[in-house]
Amino acid sequence: EAGVTQFPSHSVIEKGQTVTLRCDPISGHDNLYWYRRVMGKEIKFLLHFVKESKQDESGMPNNRFLAERTGGTYSTLKVQPAELEDSGVYFCASRGLIGELFFGEGSRLTVL
Amino acid sequence: DAKTTQPPSMDCAEGRAANLPCNHSTISGNEYVYWYRQIHSQGPQYIIHGLKNNETNEMASLIITEDRKSSTLILPHATLRDTAVYYCIVRVDPGGGNKLTFGTGTQLKVEL
Repeated sequence: EAGVTQFPSHSVIEKGQTVTLRCDPISGHDNLYWYRRVMGKEIKFLLHFVKESKQDESGMPNNRFLAERTGGTYSTLKVQPAELEDSGVYFCASRGLIGELFFGEGSRLTVL
Repeated sequence: DAKTTQPPSMDCAEGRAANLPCNHSTISGNEYVYWYRQIHSQGPQYIIHGLKNNETNEMASLIITEDRKSSTLILPHATLRDTAVYYCIVRVDPGGGNKLTFGTGTQLKVEL
């Protein structure tokens, strides 16, 4: 069974540009989460989807971040325009039957 | 979710048991104890969780004190590949939508 996959693994962009990160959860998992770790900080929750609906987006830092999950399958996280402080690793996870989260390998974002 | 306290770092000899403590003195009756780990810069990995009974799976054992104010994750025969940051997380409901709150965790270093 394929795990959670994320693309790209690493993205380097200039300040002000746009980046879109993609997450493919484990097939059949309705619950999908985005987290991020910025340099030197703890892993922080961004938002939670149940199928295509946003269940909790309390961790989204500001309106430069837009997450979608059209059709309830894969999800995208767009940062527009990117700022220096957005640099970090963005993790996606989907939830299994006993409540455990399966995380992807992360997408490292570097904003120059 | 209840706050957890973990030692920042621990060392363990390869082949020995690694015992990672966690204090969660403000835990509520309906809160579960979860353990995750992050190996280097990979995505976090679920290890085990429990409510009040001790639990064991192929990865580890979880010992929860009778008053539930603390717990210990036990890796029975630590290997070099177990070197990682281990996170103890308390949350309400494994079936609910609650986000995970990662703290700073314990950096476990397994050495020859």
